[in-house]
Amino acid sequence: DVKVTQSSRYLVKRTGEKVFLECVQDMDHENMFWYRQDPGLGLRLIYFSYDVKMKEKGDIPEGYSVSREKKERFSLILESASTNQTSMYLCASRNSPGAGSTNEKLFFGSGTQLSVL
Amino acid sequence: AQTVTQSQPEMSVQEAETVTLSCTYDTSESDYYLFWYKQPPSRQMILVIRQEAYKQQNATENRFSVNFQKAAKSFSLKISDSQLGDAAMYFCAYRGSGNTPLVFGKGTRLSVIA
Repeated sequence: DVKVTQSSRYLVKRTGEKVFLECVQDMDHENMFWYRQDPGLGLRLIYFSYDVKMKEKGDIPEGYSVSREKKERFSLILESASTNQTSMYLCASRNSPGAGSTNEKLFFGSGTQLSVL
Repeated sequence: AQTVTQSQPEMSVQEAETVTLSCTYDTSESDYYLFWYKQPPSRQMILVIRQEAYKQQNATENRFSVNFQKAAKSFSLKISDSQLGDAAMYFCAYRGSGNTPLVFGKGTRLSVIA
């Protein structure tokens, strides 16, 4: 089974700290995504990447950056954490069997609940 | 931009009964894909069902089925014979053609009453 691993399940940081959220997948997927989940707001896309060193902004990129130096690892960076970035962060990766293929699957990590105090 | 709307923040159903979760979406594309995901308290996202827009037949997976109305841009999920294990957050999601990310709705929290 594909595994998407997020380094921390729970994380507590202080405002102004630089925060790294790590995500690693073990199936050589090209596509990786970072979502943020808040009650009543669903999942919102922060950044995504289709290949090493490539990144695209999602719907809410402000205050975040990403890094993808290796195919298996996609890191989300909060340059200076703020209280409004307290949230659950979900990483996902997707295989690419061909557009529209029923074998295409999105795999999620277990999430990181980040609290910024 | 595509949007996905789930108008029911919370729903409840008696065990063994049937419940329908609503989802509408907005798109100008003709080729796209729709999904329902389940998120139990474990936080793990689980794919429930998938529908390709070009298919007229509604997708079915055991007790889960969809009512896909392309003209109305509606994609509801029906859960039959509800079980306690169906209690979860349910997210409707849209993906356009090509290699694009999923767009999610705000979710519906489903409670199952024994």
